[in-house]
Amino acid sequence: GAVVSQHPSWVICKSGTSVKIECRSLDFQATTMFWYRQFPKQSLMLMATSNEGSKATYEQGVEKDKFLINHASLTLSTLTVTSAHPEDSSFYICSASLQGDPYEQYFGPGTRLTVT
Amino acid sequence: TQLLEQSPQFLSIQEGENLTVYCNSSSVFSSLQWYRQEPGEGPVLLVTVVTGGEVKKLKRLTFQFGDARKDSSLHITAAQPGDTGLYLCARNRDDKIIFGKGTRLHILP
Repeated sequence: GAVVSQHPSWVICKSGTSVKIECRSLDFQATTMFWYRQFPKQSLMLMATSNEGSKATYEQGVEKDKFLINHASLTLSTLTVTSAHPEDSSFYICSASLQGDPYEQYFGPGTRLTVT
Repeated sequence: TQLLEQSPQFLSIQEGENLTVYCNSSSVFSSLQWYRQEPGEGPVLLVTVVTGGEVKKLKRLTFQFGDARKDSSLHITAAQPGDTGLYLCARNRDDKIIFGKGTRLHILP
């Protein structure tokens, strides 16, 4: 149980375009989802926390207008990278937690974004 | 501020050898988690330790939580190529999980 999927697994886009990444909890309802970014040979850095039906909370230094997060249902959160630039190329990982326990997170397989 | 320091950053050893990696902090943890991440995948939780002095074993992996709950170690016995990956320790803070920088382990066949 507790499987999280991401789509797409990899995407290449041109500079200036927008790209949407989906995160789904397949067999449980996730009241909270988290989005992380991981640059090559580095650790995971939390970008934002999203709760179903409310606005996401962004970490310091993460532009909320550039990284749009929507958590419209208990099983789906989306991250849209707007006006992508090559420096946005990274590995984006989402996780989902059950109600009442933000520390028990189930991680998705990640999405590799390359901006050319 | 890096809350979690992991060492070594990189480790490359021969199959069959033993190794230990470390996770340290200047502050006390309520609990600590260890994850393994393989290239191109998300991290997978290996263990959570919550009690000072606690030792948990997962096959050839032994996890120890320091008595003062400020540090932890992961010991791998008879390493195998399948153990290759990024080992991350993480702590809970303000309803979030904060990761260390990780130890990148490579086991040579």
